[in-house]
Amino acid sequence: QITLKESGPTLVKPTQTLTLTCTFSGFSLSTSGVGVGWIRQPPGKALEWLALIYWDDDKRYSPSLKSRLTITKDTSKNQVVLTMTNMDPVDTATYYCAHRRLELPFDYWGQGTLVTVSS
Amino acid sequence: EIVMTQSPATLSVSPGERATLSCRASQSVSSNLAWYQQKPGQAPRLLIYGASTRATGIPARFSGSGSGTEFTLTISSLQSEDFAVYYCQQYNNWLLTFGGGTKVEIK
Repeated sequence: QITLKESGPTLVKPTQTLTLTCTFSGFSLSTSGVGVGWIRQPPGKALEWLALIYWDDDKRYSPSLKSRLTITKDTSKNQVVLTMTNMDPVDTATYYCAHRRLELPFDYWGQGTLVTVSS
Repeated sequence: EIVMTQSPATLSVSPGERATLSCRASQSVSSNLAWYQQKPGQAPRLLIYGASTRATGIPARFSGSGSGTEFTLTISSLQSEDFAVYYCQQYNNWLLTFGGGTKVEIK
């Protein structure tokens, strides 16, 4: 059974760096073809893909946010970490992590974590 | 970037009726198109992948069709639990993109 869960701060100040952790079970990020991605959703708005990391450490970023994002994995801990620098109130959103396999969509999602950016 | 456009933004349907949702890609995504359902306060749930393959556990009343740039999600007979927001997503290339969503509401 695949599960994912996001953790991190619920409130960050403008200009601060956000660090979110996705802890998962039921699969290994060392298995060929497996990836974990981050997606966010501002309140009342649509989904936006942010970043992906694959079993071979290949990393992909949304071009519009690439300069602010870093995604890493710790295979031994079954964790994926996303950092986003220079946070702004427009970054207020629910942040999800999700599992995918190559050439398939996100099939398992975490419950999401709401991050509010405010001074 | 491939832009995904969903229509209509809101669809008002009576229980038991058929709902037809559209998704258009700005360039061909072959059959690499997924549909998700999202209810308030919940994470998206994968319904359809490969444009027409139902994900595990998805009822047969959900069906997907299309290829290239035009796609459709059909819910044959709406149940109360189907009122939600539906998103399409292309995964044809590494830059993944979602549509803006269609809200299916009770008429």
